[in-house]
Amino acid sequence: DTEVTQTPKHLVMGMTNKKSLKCEQHMGHRAMYWYKQKAKKPPELMFVYSYEKLSINESVPSRFSPECPNSSLLNLHLHALQPEDSALYLCASSQDPGLMNTEAFFGQGTRLTVV
Amino acid sequence: DAKTTQPTSMDCAEGRAANLPCNHSTISGNEYVYWYRQIHSQGPQYIIHGLKNNETNEMASLIITEDRKSSTLILPHATLRDTAVYYCIVRVGAGGTSYGKLTFGQGTILTVHP
Repeated sequence: DTEVTQTPKHLVMGMTNKKSLKCEQHMGHRAMYWYKQKAKKPPELMFVYSYEKLSINESVPSRFSPECPNSSLLNLHLHALQPEDSALYLCASSQDPGLMNTEAFFGQGTRLTVV
Repeated sequence: DAKTTQPTSMDCAEGRAANLPCNHSTISGNEYVYWYRQIHSQGPQYIIHGLKNNETNEMASLIITEDRKSSTLILPHATLRDTAVYYCIVRVGAGGTSYGKLTFGQGTILTVHP
């Protein structure tokens, strides 16, 4: 199994809603990542979890709250988002948290629309 | 990580080889060259990576110049399904402030036409 599974595939939420994005991998990878991608732009790193601990936060606003319940799961909790937060949210995982001589596997993403 | 420069877009005829260049003139000795691609509305997909030597796998070949300041990704027989954005990324091998980060540049939009 070399898949990173993200749910839901599409999400529409209001600015006062609370929702969560989920990501799952069963490759035994030790690092998991959240990326945000706006239309026609490259993916931008948001968070990195290494051995289930948050190791990198790229100055992401607190309305985005990551959580890693176990080594296979990664969540992104959303609260009080703005319309400009609408984007494709990508999850990835890798065997080596340092990404040294190893590849990252990406999920297909959650297309989020904030109304 | 070293900065990379790629052409904004390229075209290729189906069945021909697609040669995608990447300039990384500030690359350091322990930095790897990675290539990913992203087909429209999908997650990025790893293609290949290398340090010094040329590399080949079932998807592509990676040619790195002797001075390591540039590289070329070769798709030997491009198909319509290879139409995507191709990202060249340079990553440090170990340690450093970019530990654990995979930073995407603007990439090259490759269009394969019939």
